[in-house]
Amino acid sequence: SAVISQKPSRDICQRGTSLTIQCQVDSQVTMMFWYRQQPGQSLTLIATANQGSEATYESGFVIDKFPISRPNLTFSTLTVSNMSPEDSSIYLCSVGRDSSYNEQFFGPGTRLTVL
Amino acid sequence: AQKITQTQPGMFVQEKEAVTLDCTYDTSDQSYGLFWYKQPSSGEMIFLIYQGSYDEQNATEGRYSLNFQKARKSANLVISASQLGDSAMYFCAMREARAWGGSQGNLIFGKGTKLSVKP
Repeated sequence: SAVISQKPSRDICQRGTSLTIQCQVDSQVTMMFWYRQQPGQSLTLIATANQGSEATYESGFVIDKFPISRPNLTFSTLTVSNMSPEDSSIYLCSVGRDSSYNEQFFGPGTRLTVL
Repeated sequence: AQKITQTQPGMFVQEKEAVTLDCTYDTSDQSYGLFWYKQPSSGEMIFLIYQGSYDEQNATEGRYSLNFQKARKSANLVISASQLGDSAMYFCAMREARAWGGSQGNLIFGKGTKLSVKP
């Protein structure tokens, strides 16, 4: 399985500030996915990050609020901008083992609390 | 329309017994994949098992098996010989091909089932 790390593992932030979450994979992958899990809820896809192109955002998520970078095939960042308490969630990155995406692995997640 | 339905918000099972977690799905695609994940209280998502829509055999991984009934659009997870460490949230998920014919690989998740294993 792919080894995926995320930084930070958790953070407590003030309203109106921004936080950048890093996702590092131990092998090269074409696509990386960013998900949000609000308290007590299931996972929702924020965007798909493909190296060398703009991220593709799902309905309800916009680039100004969740800018994503994908500078190479092993790394991506997600920024949560101008945070409000409603952004308090676990943010997870995910990759497929190969191009079939038949095995998909998640990073350990970033637990964000916005005060 | 909800694409993944998990009707059991919570389940209890006695240690060493088997338990079935239900999952039904809705798709018009012929090619799709079904996944189960375990999420303990730590929050990490642990990949358990995968079933492809064209796979004729039910997937198995150790104590986990997926009871795939394509005509009924169900993909239930069976955990045999439950252990205390199995207590967690379990999510069923589906990967669809996108409208333009290529699979983006992203997953659609159900709401989850909280499994509690009793000693």
